[in-house]
Amino acid sequence: DTEVTQTPKHLVMGMTNKKSLKCEQHMGHRAMYWYKQKAKKPPELMFVYSYEKLSINESVPSRFSPECPNSSLLNLHLHALQPEDSALYLCASSQDIADAVTEAFFGQGTRLTVV
Amino acid sequence: GQSLEQPSEVTAVEGAIVQINCTYQTSGFYGLSWYQQHDGGAPTFLSYNALDGLEETGRFSSFLSRSDSYGYLLLQELQMKDSASYFCAVRLLSGNTPLVFGKGTRLSVIA
Repeated sequence: DTEVTQTPKHLVMGMTNKKSLKCEQHMGHRAMYWYKQKAKKPPELMFVYSYEKLSINESVPSRFSPECPNSSLLNLHLHALQPEDSALYLCASSQDIADAVTEAFFGQGTRLTVV
Repeated sequence: GQSLEQPSEVTAVEGAIVQINCTYQTSGFYGLSWYQQHDGGAPTFLSYNALDGLEETGRFSSFLSRSDSYGYLLLQELQMKDSASYFCAVRLLSGNTPLVFGKGTRLSVIA
């Protein structure tokens, strides 16, 4: 199994809603990532978890809250988002952070629209 | 700071060869990776150069020259399905950011 599975695939939420994005991998990878990608732009790193601990927070607003319940799961909790937060949210994993440079596996992403 | 520059768009004919360049300004990095992303899809890993020189994987080859701060992805025998965005990416020696992506090149393969 070389898949990273993200749910939901599409999400529309209001600015007062609370929702969560989910990501799962069963490759035994110990590093997991959240990226945000706007149309025709490269993915931008948001958070990195290494061995279930938050390793990097790229100055992401607190309305985005990551969680790593175990080594296979990664969540992104969303609250009070703005329309400009509409984007494709990608989850990725690699054997560990050092291996991100050689091969990171990406999920298909959640297409988020904030209305 | 660091930056990875790529052409924004490239168009090539089916069956031809195309080269997508990546020039960079960075204080140091472990290696240069290439990812492919189809519209609506996930980025998928294509190739990695830790050392200078050419790496070949089927129809795709990637090249790195650290002395010239330059790399490229070479796609041979182009197929329509190769139409996608291609990103170069690096992991920097300093700081913690695991993967920094270039701006991406949109490749359109035409008949």
